[in-house]
Amino acid sequence: RKEVEQDPGPFNVPEGATVAFNCTYSNSASQSFFWYRQDCRKEPKLLMSVYSSGNEDGRFTAQLNRASQYISLLIRDSKLSDSATYLCVVNTYLSGGTASKLTFGTGTRLQVTL
Amino acid sequence: EAQVTQNPRYLITVTGKKLTVTCSQNMNHEYMSWYRQDPGLGLRQIYYSMNVEVTDKGDVPEGYKVSRKEKRNFPLILESPSPNQTSLYFCASTKTQTADPFTGEQFFGPGTRLTVL
Repeated sequence: RKEVEQDPGPFNVPEGATVAFNCTYSNSASQSFFWYRQDCRKEPKLLMSVYSSGNEDGRFTAQLNRASQYISLLIRDSKLSDSATYLCVVNTYLSGGTASKLTFGTGTRLQVTL
Repeated sequence: EAQVTQNPRYLITVTGKKLTVTCSQNMNHEYMSWYRQDPGLGLRQIYYSMNVEVTDKGDVPEGYKVSRKEKRNFPLILESPSPNQTSLYFCASTKTQTADPFTGEQFFGPGTRLTVL
């Protein structure tokens, strides 16, 4: 089983639609969670962190469910400029607690159309 | 401007010809790492460095070497490249990756697309 799993998509949605992505992780000891955005052939960039209480940043809402070990990203009122690949990222502290490791999912591709 | 730079951006080479991909950051970050990205496999960590002269293997270190002689630079060395090292490579840095706390924001370089024939 992969450490971090995402549906690769693509999700094709019309402009203005609401779309949601899920991501599951296998290590129950994972501590922190993030969504990164990656445009085609470009470097990934942090979109938002995911907190246990859920958090919102404009049209984007992230949720964490520790019991079921998944995180989600909801995008409301999709824009053409939201077209990208969204990477689920999980941070797990290594033994000894002196370092941690980021594990990236393979990404979910979103295509927003007119 | 705070940034991570990589050079070259594109490279086509032949099997066995040693090459180095440079990475430099101007944010005084302690932690730097190298990833490769392949279709269907996502970003996989090759090597990382927690500070000057401290490096360690990531998930896919075979065929690669790194060094960290200065805080700002973290070159990736392929002593004898092979076709299975054809990939998109990213260097990344973050202030610290210790457990308390980790903000999660890694700053990535623009990527190096390597083709080994």
